[in-house]
Amino acid sequence: GNSVTQMEGPVTLSEEAFLTINCTYTATGYPSLFWYVQYPGEGLQLLLKATKADDKGSNKGFEATYRKETTSFHLEKGSVQVSDSAVYFCALLNNRAGTALIFGKGTTLSVSS
Amino acid sequence: EAGVAQSPRYKIIEKRQSVAFWCNPISGHATLYWYQQILGQGPKLLIQFQNNGVVDDSQLPKDRFSAERLKGVDSTLKIQPAKLEDSAVYLCASSSSQGNTEAFFGQGTRLTVV
Repeated sequence: GNSVTQMEGPVTLSEEAFLTINCTYTATGYPSLFWYVQYPGEGLQLLLKATKADDKGSNKGFEATYRKETTSFHLEKGSVQVSDSAVYFCALLNNRAGTALIFGKGTTLSVSS
Repeated sequence: EAGVAQSPRYKIIEKRQSVAFWCNPISGHATLYWYQQILGQGPKLLIQFQNNGVVDDSQLPKDRFSAERLKGVDSTLKIQPAKLEDSAVYLCASSSSQGNTEAFFGQGTRLTVV
């Protein structure tokens, strides 16, 4: 079946530190991959996505590359800010009609100044 | 563009009581999803609608949960009777079509069953 595995949190960093949140997936076929972010008190928001192998999604300084050979989609940011503190969810969508997003458990990021 | 609207934001009920949640998706979005997010876990799909038809309800506990999307717009999710383990955030999301690469989420309803 389809599933997503994320690194356990919480991740605690100082401002301007480098961030990596690992995500691996299991899927039939070639899914699309996503990172969603949930800021305190807000709903889930799409952060970035990649729809095929070797695609790189990027937004707000975050990047993730779709690696088919390692079935991974790790989230990175070169210099985190306090405002990046949130819960990050990796997700996949099997590209067939009638399917819905499958999420990982989420990783909490806390950035201090 | 208005986002996905959900109400109420918070609800506290006693076990064995019933509760209903409402969702208004983004205008024109044909696909609507209800997810359950238990504390410390990722969202889990409960049911997916395409217009007013059910596409996937394989993970919906049908003995106590029900959902409908009359007229293919608003949707309601009901739990009757509630159990302690139903305490979670219930998220509604919509997308313009099935398999569309972006789903938009509401802020969710936080349910506490005591």
